[in-house]
Amino acid sequence: AQSVSQHNHHVILSEAASLELGCNYSYGGTVNLFWYVQYPGQHLQLLLKYFSGDPLVKGIKGFEAEFIKSKFSFNLRKPSVQWSDTAEYFCAVTAYNTDKLIFGTGTRLQVFP
Amino acid sequence: DSGVTQTPKHLITATGQRVTLRCSPRSGDLSVYWYQQSLDQGLQFLIQYYNGEERAKGNILERFSAQQFPDLHSELNLSSLELGDSALYFCASSSRTGNTGELFFGEGSRLTVL
Repeated sequence: AQSVSQHNHHVILSEAASLELGCNYSYGGTVNLFWYVQYPGQHLQLLLKYFSGDPLVKGIKGFEAEFIKSKFSFNLRKPSVQWSDTAEYFCAVTAYNTDKLIFGTGTRLQVFP
Repeated sequence: DSGVTQTPKHLITATGQRVTLRCSPRSGDLSVYWYQQSLDQGLQFLIQYYNGEERAKGNILERFSAQQFPDLHSELNLSSLELGDSALYFCASSSRTGNTGELFFGEGSRLTVL
């Protein structure tokens, strides 16, 4: 069965610090990969996605993620975080051409001014 | 605003009771997904419907059931409620099935079972 692991449960950073959130998945076949973000009091929304092609994908608000197939990883990065990036971040995966989107347990990011 | 509407936003009930959560997908979206978010288990996929038919099933308990109606809204029925069912229940919709890409989430229904 597919699963997604997010090893950082809670990350605390100061503004302008660099961010990297880890995401590993377990599935042997072709996958689609996603990062969703949930700002305080708001609904989940898509940050970025990878289906195929360039393994480095860019999303909204300066976020990017790199798909490393050999490591089954899809880590999220941002060179310089802002206070407004405080949110919970979820990595998710679907097996190719399926509908079951499986989420990781999430990483809570707190950014202090 | 994602365009996905969930009601009620908050619900408090007692063990053994039954509740119904309702979801209206974005206009034109045929797929509806239900997720359960709890502190200890994260965001768990429950079930998906596409144009009225069950499409995919996840960790949904037998005490729970769902359906999607001809107007595409969906209901999640939770019965014989237990304390552990307290959670945030999210509905999401998308326009496609298979390689879904982006899901649009509602704001959730927070269920508290006392």
